[in-house]
Amino acid sequence: QKEVEQDPGPLSVPEGAIVSLNCTYSNSAFQYFMWYRQYSRKGPELLMYTYSSGNKEDGRFTAQVDKSSKYISLFIRDSQPSDSATYLCAIMNYGGSQGNLIFGKGTKLSVKP
Amino acid sequence: DAGVTQSPTHLIKTRGQQVTLRCSPKSGHDTVSWYQQALGQGPQFIFQYYEEEERQRGNFPDRFSGHQYPNYSSELNVNALLLGDSALYLCASSLVLAGWGTDTQYFGPGTRLTVL
Repeated sequence: QKEVEQDPGPLSVPEGAIVSLNCTYSNSAFQYFMWYRQYSRKGPELLMYTYSSGNKEDGRFTAQVDKSSKYISLFIRDSQPSDSATYLCAIMNYGGSQGNLIFGKGTKLSVKP
Repeated sequence: DAGVTQSPTHLIKTRGQQVTLRCSPKSGHDTVSWYQQALGQGPQFIFQYYEEEERQRGNFPDRFSGHQYPNYSSELNVNALLLGDSALYLCASSLVLAGWGTDTQYFGPGTRLTVL
């Protein structure tokens, strides 16, 4: 079983729709969860950073972590064509005092005007 | 405030050659991590440098090596290139927080390596 699983999509929605992106993970010790957005041929850009369980909101974006189910989600409200990108979930894996990121495969989102 | 920068943007090499990629971290950051992103995949961790030493390594062969300089900039070297090394190579910088560990990682634009 992979450490982080993410449905690669692609996902196509009309402008204004609510988008739900999801990942599951295998190691219950993980505590730090991120969502990155990556436009075509660019580096990943940090969107959201959450610790432990619960919700975190930033504008149109809401990140949700359910540690009991080992499930993380990103919701995008009122989606815009500019949200069209690949969304990567990532988990911070601490080996000693240093951390490295374990990524899902990414979900490619297309928002149609 | 300059973000993470990487050079070159694109690179084409042939099998068996060697390549060096460069990264300058975000101002104030002291840790550099390197990732390989194959087409259609998420980034995979190669290794991480802090205080000029390799601190963690992912599941990559010894053909992949690196270096960090006193100004925190870093290089990734790949020897004996294989076709399968074709990918986007990403550099991420972060700051070690005392008693906490590595903070959030910020990525550069990447270097796209094509091996023919």
